[in-house]
Amino acid sequence: AQSVTQLDSQVPVFEEAPVELRCNYSSSVSVYLFWYVQYPNQGLQLLLKYLSGSTLVESINGFEAEFNKSQTSFHLRKPSVHISDTAEYFCAVSDTNAGKSTFGDGTTLTVKP
Amino acid sequence: EAGVVQSPRYKIIEKKQPVAFWCNPISGHNTLYWYRQNLGQGPELLIRYENEEAVDDSQLPKDRFSAERLKGVDSTLKIQPAELGDSAVYLCASTAYSAGSTGELFFGEGSRLTVL
Repeated sequence: AQSVTQLDSQVPVFEEAPVELRCNYSSSVSVYLFWYVQYPNQGLQLLLKYLSGSTLVESINGFEAEFNKSQTSFHLRKPSVHISDTAEYFCAVSDTNAGKSTFGDGTTLTVKP
Repeated sequence: EAGVVQSPRYKIIEKKQPVAFWCNPISGHNTLYWYRQNLGQGPELLIRYENEEAVDDSQLPKDRFSAERLKGVDSTLKIQPAELGDSAVYLCASTAYSAGSTGELFFGEGSRLTVL
């Protein structure tokens, strides 16, 4: 069984400030890790993913996440946020063998001017 | 490349009425998922298809929910009769799943159901 805990349901920040969205997971099997983003009135879309190799993964719009196996975490960070980053962010784990994804409850990031 | 297409985007019905949602996955994606997303929560899996076979329907409330994926392409999720607690966004996702694939999901925009 797998579970995902997103530790913050809402994160308000000012524009150009750094942000960290926290995600912890538990699983009895090997997993892949994902962050999905959902902009208002849109579907979920992949932001970044960790499959193997380097524990630090980056997205094209400046987000990064670090896989920490000992702490079973996959926190998402951005050094300087923009108004357009306002969205809901979901952390997810996928069983490497069964193709089943489990999602956290999401973190609403609100970037204020 | 066309994305995952869902319809309708919004549906308002009275309780005890039936409702159906349709999903057309990305061409070539053999695996299709239906998720339910309640307000303030993450998506929860209802059913997963590999081609036309439902390989995981353990979370589907079978007394009122049914799904089908004829010919292994598009899919329909039905609720009959709907209850107030069924109000949620129903998400369809697809992926080209095989041994060694990453499990990255491609989502549609969702169908928002309101039961009055």
